Amino acid sequence: AQSVTQLDSQVPVFEEAPVELRCNYSSSVSVYLFWYVQYPNQGLQLLLKYLSGSTLVKGINGFEAEFNKSQTSFHLRKPSVHISDTAEYFCAVSDNNAGNMLTFGGGTRLMVKP
Amino acid sequence: DTGVSQNPRHKITKRGQNVTFRCDPISEHNRLYWYRQTLGQGPEFLTYFQNEAQLEKSRLLSDRFSAERPKGSFSTLEIQRTEQGDSAMYLCASSLGPVGAFFGQGTRLTVV
Repeated sequence: AQSVTQLDSQVPVFEEAPVELRCNYSSSVSVYLFWYVQYPNQGLQLLLKYLSGSTLVKGINGFEAEFNKSQTSFHLRKPSVHISDTAEYFCAVSDNNAGNMLTFGGGTRLMVKP
Repeated sequence: DTGVSQNPRHKITKRGQNVTFRCDPISEHNRLYWYRQTLGQGPEFLTYFQNEAQLEKSRLLSDRFSAERPKGSFSTLEIQRTEQGDSAMYLCASSLGPVGAFFGQGTRLTVV
């Protein structure tokens, strides 16, 4: 079984500032890692994923994340945020052996202020 | 790219009634998942189909819940004898192979 912890429930940040959303996971097997974004009353959109290979993963909308196996972390970063980045962000993990169901963290609400 | 389509987008029902939701996955995707999301929480896995076979069910899926995917195309999720605790967003996702699930916009259920 896996679990995901998103350490911050809310992250306020000013427009054009950098941001990091933290994610830690636990699993007894190898995993795939994902970040999704959810706008109000919408479904989830995949931002980026780590399957294997380079630990630095680039996604859409200027986001990137780094897989750190020793610290079991997969933090999401963006060097300069926009008002339109205001949304809920979910980190998720799936094991790579079974049906690949996603286990999600509780979410981090990114609030970008002008 | 039509994406994953879910209907209805919103459903209000009285406690004790039955409801059914439909999910149309991306056409070539063989895997289909249902998740439930309550307010302020991350989605929780409910069930998973590969083609028409239901291969995994969460313990969250009580016997009042049933899901089908006839012919490996669209899927339905039925909740019988709804309870107020069933109020949530029900999300459907599909994928081709094991990774990179694409989500629909969800069906928000309110049980009054």
